[in-house]
Amino acid sequence: ETGVTQTPRHLVMGMTNKKSLKCEQHLGHNAMYWYKQSAKKPLELMFVYSLEERVENNSVPSRFSPECPNSSHLFLHLHTLQPEDSALYLCASSPGSSGTGEQYFGPGTRLTVT
Amino acid sequence: GENVEQHPSTLSVQEGDSAVIKCTYSDSASNYFPWYKQELGKGPQLIIDIRSNVGEKKDQRIAVTLNKTAKHFSLHITETQPEDSAVYFCAATQLRQLTFGSGTQLTVLP
Repeated sequence: ETGVTQTPRHLVMGMTNKKSLKCEQHLGHNAMYWYKQSAKKPLELMFVYSLEERVENNSVPSRFSPECPNSSHLFLHLHTLQPEDSALYLCASSPGSSGTGEQYFGPGTRLTVT
Repeated sequence: GENVEQHPSTLSVQEGDSAVIKCTYSDSASNYFPWYKQELGKGPQLIIDIRSNVGEKKDQRIAVTLNKTAKHFSLHITETQPEDSAVYFCAATQLRQLTFGSGTQLTVLP
């Protein structure tokens, strides 16, 4: 698990707050991902970055804003969230520049929106 | 797009018995099928994967089989141990997106 780290591990925020989630991968990978994991639902892909360029955006509301300043770091900026956004947010990385193949996950950030 | 169905959603087995989890996928172009194990408070961990040019792959007590014609693949865990208790996810992909199944909560009873 130390290959992909995420901070913070837990976050409680009000609907009017602005916060950011951070992900760092130490595996030399070229692609990074944000997923949302809600109870009783499959993992939902939110964003994909390949070589620091966003290549996928799966109809995610604009209150979620990703940023990938380099191939090792990925951020998810949050603002004016809704209670239904409470979930586990997982970051992953993969070796291929096209993002195919195996993905390695971080431990996640447990987000609670009050 | 791809659709992955996974069953059962919960599975309880006695320690030492075998466990089998099955998944079906819809897109015949999918060519990579990983399995992940997620323990409480942790992110999913890749435990085994298979590519479409292979029918079976084994790693110690874990094996995965793939039937491309029927578009289904399965995870087999033999000689289960309490530490195998977790949620298991299958996934399928072509191109860059992994589509996940809804997960199976496996409980190994001592």
